[in-house]
Amino acid sequence: QKEVEQNSGPLSVPEGAIASLNCTYSDRGSQSFFWYRQYSGKSPELIMFIYSNGDKEDGRFTAQLNKASQYVSLLIRDSQPSDSATYLCAPNTGRRALTFGSGTRLQVQP
Amino acid sequence: GAVVSQHPSWVICKSGTSVKIECRSLDFQATTMFWYRQFPKQSLMLMATSNEGSKATYEQGVEKDKFLINHASLTLSTLTVTSAHPEDSSFYICSAATGDSTDTQYFGPGTRLTVL
Repeated sequence: QKEVEQNSGPLSVPEGAIASLNCTYSDRGSQSFFWYRQYSGKSPELIMFIYSNGDKEDGRFTAQLNKASQYVSLLIRDSQPSDSATYLCAPNTGRRALTFGSGTRLQVQP
Repeated sequence: GAVVSQHPSWVICKSGTSVKIECRSLDFQATTMFWYRQFPKQSLMLMATSNEGSKATYEQGVEKDKFLINHASLTLSTLTVTSAHPEDSSFYICSAATGDSTDTQYFGPGTRLTVL
């Protein structure tokens, strides 16, 4: 079983809709998670860090963590074409390298 | 957030030459940096973990004599691709951990290497 699983997509949503991206993980010891966004041809950029069960909101982004069910999700409200990218989740590994899921490719249709 | 830079952003070289890529943490000290490689439409692949003042730890299948890593200071790690060949053409990305309570990792903008 992979450490982190994501649906590779593409996930296609219309502009203005809510995009829901999901990530499941296998290590029950994982305490916190990162969400990164990677545009084609660019490096990943951090968009959210979550360490507590429940929701964390930052602008149009809401991360949700459920440790009991071992999933973490990212909601993007009012999706824009500029949100079209690959979204990567990764458990916080301290100072060890991140283990990414395959990433979910999001396409926001204008 | 913290800033990580890479230089150069792109490089074209002839087969057989060596190329050095620099990764700098601009506003924090990073005892650990990471080097990744990404081929088109593929996931990031970890190449090595670079530790300040000690030898790098390479992932299985990565040739340490071909990809030389030097982490000479708390803000600089370098990756040298020696005797580059066309198959080494790729997107090389470094990241650095902030070392604070979150140990957030920030990525450099990447270096696109093309070997002719």
